[in-house]
Amino acid sequence: GAGVSQSPRYKVAKRGQDVALRCDPISGHVSLFWYQQALGQGPEFLTYFQNEAQLDKSGLPSDRFFAERPEGSVSTLKIQRTQQEDSAVYLCASSIGPGDTEAFFGQGTRLTVV
Amino acid sequence: GENVEQHPSTLSVQEGDSAVIKCTYSDSASNYFPWYKQELGKRPQLIIDIRSNVGEKKDQRIAVTLNKTAKHFSLHITETQPEDSAVYFCADYTGGFKTIFGAGTRLFVKA
Repeated sequence: GAGVSQSPRYKVAKRGQDVALRCDPISGHVSLFWYQQALGQGPEFLTYFQNEAQLDKSGLPSDRFFAERPEGSVSTLKIQRTQQEDSAVYLCASSIGPGDTEAFFGQGTRLTVV
Repeated sequence: GENVEQHPSTLSVQEGDSAVIKCTYSDSASNYFPWYKQELGKRPQLIIDIRSNVGEKKDQRIAVTLNKTAKHFSLHITETQPEDSAVYFCADYTGGFKTIFGAGTRLFVKA
């Protein structure tokens, strides 16, 4: 496709369940970002990949959060033992360059932990 | 640490009036300042950006100004239309790997 694609669009998880969120970036984009957007807030940085290398994971809120991009294209954000405070929209974005170029966002995955 | 403050959090204007949203940043190394528009339930989309070597940039009804000395930048929308209603986010990139976003401004344009 032409844009960034995320799946699933909506996910309801029971507290304690593990979830995996997928991001398909724009083909050829080197940079991939994950953001967490709480209701009524701006996106909060989670982690950054340059190709397959995870160069910055300073925004991951706890060791329950894990991201990977093994072949430098598709990325997965995994959250283990989900908690209610993990409920948010998780946005993926990709760009040609590291950060000073336009970032193209996916539609996001709305995670609700019950 | 890095921080971007955005004001106001909510802005209501009459159709045809101008809207101004202001942001301040803390890192003097910041060199790229994008603005994103997010409609309800949709993804953020870039509407305009400015780099630190430029003081002002304009694109039709949208303009952005940058004051590096004061560390603030502003979005100006003229002749507002109902379709301008959305949440607007400022952001800054410091040269690392992260773009820091403001908390957002919810703009309502009343017909």
